[in-house]
Amino acid sequence: SQKIEQNSEALNIQEGKTATLTCNYTNYSPAYLQWYRQDPGRGPVFLLLIRENEKEKRKERLKVTFDTTLKQSLFHITASQPADSATYLCGTGRRALTFGSGTRLQVQP
Amino acid sequence: DVKVTQSSRYLVKRTGEKVFLECVQDMDHENMFWYRQDPGLGLRLIYFSYDVKMKEKGDIPEGYSVSREKKERFSLILESASTNQTSMYLCASSPPRGRSSGNTIYFGEGSWLTVV
Repeated sequence: SQKIEQNSEALNIQEGKTATLTCNYTNYSPAYLQWYRQDPGRGPVFLLLIRENEKEKRKERLKVTFDTTLKQSLFHITASQPADSATYLCGTGRRALTFGSGTRLQVQP
Repeated sequence: DVKVTQSSRYLVKRTGEKVFLECVQDMDHENMFWYRQDPGLGLRLIYFSYDVKMKEKGDIPEGYSVSREKKERFSLILESASTNQTSMYLCASSPPRGRSSGNTIYFGEGSWLTVV
């Protein structure tokens, strides 16, 4: 199955800055990658899906890139706000999603 | 609106007990999943089902079984609960691949199980 790696260390940034989270995969090249947001004590919520033939996907302040050469996806939140503080999960899979362990983002006011 | 409902939010069970975690979705989704989430280990897939009465093992099926008698309901069973099964359990569902929403999955709110 696919192995997904995300930076397990928390990312602390100031409000208004751009947060960049990294997701690396190590086995087969996936057809797509998905990003989810998880708040403490809650289930993850879908944010964005990017396919292998898409270099970039945007949704409001969110941007995801997919680099099949580097085997990496980057997730950006521009003009970050304290309300963006959460854990962000990256996942992919052929029949069921495999997820990374998530990166916790803390946006300081 | 999409809804995945897990019957119990918090449970405390004794070692050796048989535990049932119930999950219902109202979206007519074919696929349903059970994950557990532990600090530092992320989400790990226990079992999934792509149709009624069908099931497939995920990455960590040992000590668990599942039941899917109806399309909307997927149950996770701990045959004999052990303390290392203390965790947050997440149920999820998704439509089959090929639909416009792709493989996006919808999660329930989670069930916190403590085995003492």
